[in-house]
Amino acid sequence: EVQLVESGGGLVQPGGSLRLSCAASGFTFSSYWMHWVRQAPGKGLVWVSRINSDGSSTSYADSVKGRFTISRDNANNTLYLQMNSLRAEDTAVYYCARVRAAGGRGNDAFDIWGQGTMVTVSS
Amino acid sequence: DIVMTQSPDSLAVSLGERATINCKSSLSVLYSSNNRHYLAWYQQKPGQPPKLLIYWASTRDSGVPDRFSGSGSGTDFTLTISSLQAEDVAVYYCQQYYSTPSFGQGTKLEIK
Repeated sequence: EVQLVESGGGLVQPGGSLRLSCAASGFTFSSYWMHWVRQAPGKGLVWVSRINSDGSSTSYADSVKGRFTISRDNANNTLYLQMNSLRAEDTAVYYCARVRAAGGRGNDAFDIWGQGTMVTVSS
Repeated sequence: DIVMTQSPDSLAVSLGERATINCKSSLSVLYSSNNRHYLAWYQQKPGQPPKLLIYWASTRDSGVPDRFSGSGSGTDFTLTISSLQAEDVAVYYCQQYYSTPSFGQGTKLEIK
């Protein structure tokens, strides 16, 4: 079964750090671009970051640039999001998502999503 | 950045009736070299992650019922549910993936 499972969320104080993980299974992880998308409570979907299939290219939303780092370990089929200098407005469910087509340029719809992990930034 | 704007914000439709959700992009999402619109539609039910319904503006993802259809071109797109079923109650999002991905604000679909 094709699956993505996020972990690492929790309660953190403003200014703190968290590292989210997304474990992939059921497909050739190293062939796909991957994304992080977040959703604040009761709000819409917001794209956060993406990484190409071999990890050599990344991009970020302006709201997290310089604070978040996306990375991947293709040997262990895992995607990461290192989040530093966290702010209250980073509070959200964080989803990892796979693009639809393997080996592409990354401009593609997201066909597989994890269940999400909740990050709460509060003192 | 491309801004996606959906209308309406919420919609109530009777069972068996047609539901139409609109999405407008601030720039064209048509890639001229392959004549494809880089536009997707997602369905999100409470407590669940989004589910891909439509990509390339009009191609249904595998397993999506044929009552869901996507249309449009350039900057204006539409998701149509031809005959609303109870299980279609959800929030629907459009997304462009022509450039850095962005989503519409969502449209909440309810039963009238």
